[in-house]
Amino acid sequence: KAGVTQTPRYLIKTRGQQVTLSCSPISGHRSVSWYQQTPGQGLQFLFEYFSETQRNKGNFPGRFSGRQFSNSRSEMNVSTLELGDSALYLCASSSDANPGQGLAKNIQYFGAGTRLSVL
Amino acid sequence: AQTVTQSQPEMSVQEAETVTLSCTYDTSENNYYLFWYKQPPSRQMILVIRQEAYKQQNATENRFSVNFQKAAKSFSLKISDSQLGDTAMYFCAFMSPYNQGGKLIFGQGTELSVKP
Repeated sequence: KAGVTQTPRYLIKTRGQQVTLSCSPISGHRSVSWYQQTPGQGLQFLFEYFSETQRNKGNFPGRFSGRQFSNSRSEMNVSTLELGDSALYLCASSSDANPGQGLAKNIQYFGAGTRLSVL
Repeated sequence: AQTVTQSQPEMSVQEAETVTLSCTYDTSENNYYLFWYKQPPSRQMILVIRQEAYKQQNATENRFSVNFQKAAKSFSLKISDSQLGDTAMYFCAFMSPYNQGGKLIFGQGTELSVKP
């Protein structure tokens, strides 16, 4: 079974631009979560999508947005890039991150990440 | 709010020896999920072991085991017979099963170096 695929692996952008990152979950997984990883702040939750609906959101400005398609693939968009947005962006998929579904369905499997550099 | 603390930023161990990584967390919930993830230099986050809080028995996966102390809110990871391939950043993570939309709360990580 193929794992979580994130594209592209590396991105270089300049301040003020916007960027779109893509994530294809493990086949059969319907939940996709996004995280930002930086040396200073560590790993922080951005948002989670399930069946094309955002169910949970972290504490990030509105410049960070996402969506999920009917095939469970997800995209994350950052508009008006700032230097501080330079980070590793990780995507994770799970079967169904939902209360009452049990631990197994809530386990998150991660992609290799997209390294975004903002100049 | 739930928090996760890893008090050891860096650790090293000799190959074939045993090492224990510490993790404490704070929550008012009675049931929750705990995880240890490993992130080698390749950046791929890999699940090492998981534990459900209401199960008192400590989880074990081959050379990896946990010491789960619910009252103390402690979830340490023991790596036995350390191998060079265990060199990585290790993250402890917490998830509440009561909220929709899986949100992992991570500790700051422990960088483990296994020396030959």
